Amino acid sequence: AQSVTQLDSQVPVFEEAPVELRCNYSSSVSVYLFWYVQYPNQGLQLLLKYLSGSTLVKGINGFEAEFNKSQTSFHLRKPSVHISDTAEYFCAVGPVGGVKFQFGAGTQVVVTP
Amino acid sequence: NAGVTQTPKFRVLKTGQSMTLLCAQDMNHEYMYWYRQDPGMGLRLIHYSVGEGTTAKGEVPDGYNVSRLKKQNFLLGLESAAPSQTSVYFCASRPDREVYIQYFGAGTRLSVL
Repeated sequence: AQSVTQLDSQVPVFEEAPVELRCNYSSSVSVYLFWYVQYPNQGLQLLLKYLSGSTLVKGINGFEAEFNKSQTSFHLRKPSVHISDTAEYFCAVGPVGGVKFQFGAGTQVVVTP
Repeated sequence: NAGVTQTPKFRVLKTGQSMTLLCAQDMNHEYMYWYRQDPGMGLRLIHYSVGEGTTAKGEVPDGYNVSRLKKQNFLLGLESAAPSQTSVYFCASRPDREVYIQYFGAGTRLSVL
C-alpha cells in the first residue's frame, strides 16, 4: 500500500515570489509520482509526472518537481508565482504496474499582490 | 472534444433518497474511477473499473454501487443517501497503454440534508 503526506495545508505567497509545496510518500513497491492542480470549481489537471529517468521533472505553467528516492519526497516548486496560480495542488502516487492512485490531502496556494 | 463529462453538476437530496451520477468519456479509455473529495482529505477512491463489465471496490465503497455496462459510461449510485455522503464527486478515466495519466471531469457537488 502507498500513502502520501502533503506537509502544508495552506501556503500563502506573494506574487512573483517563489513557492515550494512539499510531498512525502511511502510505499513498499516502486511508484510513479504526480502533481495535479485544481482551480476553483474545476476538476483536476495534471501538472507533471515522474515515471523514470531524470529526477527533475518539468511541467506546465513553469512548475517543476524533484524526485528524491532516499528521502521519499517529490516536492513541487515554481520560481515566480502569478495570481493565476491560486489553486489547490495535489500530490499523488501510483504503483508501477498497478491500477489505483493515492492522493494527498492537498495544499491550498493563495497568491496575493 | 468533450473528454470526461459528469452529470448532474449539482444535486440536493433528502436523507434516504436515491440517485445516480453519470460519468461519460469519449476517449475510449479502459479505466474509470469514482472519487469523493472532502475538505482536508484529498480525493478518496470509491470504486473503479478496469474495463467494460468490470467493477472493483476502492478505499471508501460503503453506501455506493457502480455499473459499467458500456465502455464509455461509469455510473455511481447512492441507494439511500446519508448526510455523510455530502461531498464533491469526481470521475476520472485513463487509457491502459498510456501511463497513469488520469483525465478528470468537472465534478458533481452533492448535498444530503
